[in-house]
Amino acid sequence: AQKITQTQPGMFVQEKEAVTLDCTYDTSDPSYGLFWYKQPSSGEMIFLIYQGSYDQQNATEGRYSLNFQKARKSANLVISASQLGDSAMYFCAMRAATRNYQLIWGAGTKLIIKP
Amino acid sequence: NAGVMQNPRHLVRRRGQEARLRCSPMKGHSHVYWYRQLPEEGLKFMVYLQKENIIDESGMPKERFSAEFPKEGPSILRIQQVVRGDSAAYFCASQTGVTQETQYFGPGTRLLVL
Repeated sequence: AQKITQTQPGMFVQEKEAVTLDCTYDTSDPSYGLFWYKQPSSGEMIFLIYQGSYDQQNATEGRYSLNFQKARKSANLVISASQLGDSAMYFCAMRAATRNYQLIWGAGTKLIIKP
Repeated sequence: NAGVMQNPRHLVRRRGQEARLRCSPMKGHSHVYWYRQLPEEGLKFMVYLQKENIIDESGMPKERFSAEFPKEGPSILRIQQVVRGDSAAYFCASQTGVTQETQYFGPGTRLLVL
């Protein structure tokens, strides 16, 4: 079965600190993609970062980086120098070829940045 | 280049009425996915469409729910005879025809069934 697990329902982090949001996945597909999305209180779903299963290097996008450990099946999101505007729900998702490339989602982590 | 558009953003229906949710994909995108998000949960896949074709509807309830993506015009998710359990946020995502591309999401439609 294909599954995404986010074990942290909520996190409080001091502004300007780095934060790591955990994500583990389960799949038997050799080829898959891992995504992180941000959902602020306004409700839209904002794409942050993508990691392909065959990518040799960890993905980075500005302050976001993905700590991809394939053997451990983990794809943690790291946000450096957190800002108040980072407060939101964060979802990890996986795309698998055998599921018609639909995204399979974790339950999300609510991140609150404290001033 | 406008993003994915969904309307209405908020929809209120009484039990037994019909709900029609519309999604206009990004320009050049011919693939559309619909997802449902219940309160305090992640998204759940419902249906995957290409122009004039339903590719995968395995996540969509067999009764009352239907989806289409005509040659011209937006994709429509239709819920007949709504019940309170249908209250949720419904998101549409689009991508190009290349399956490895990122899915881009619309702002969602919040459906409230009274």
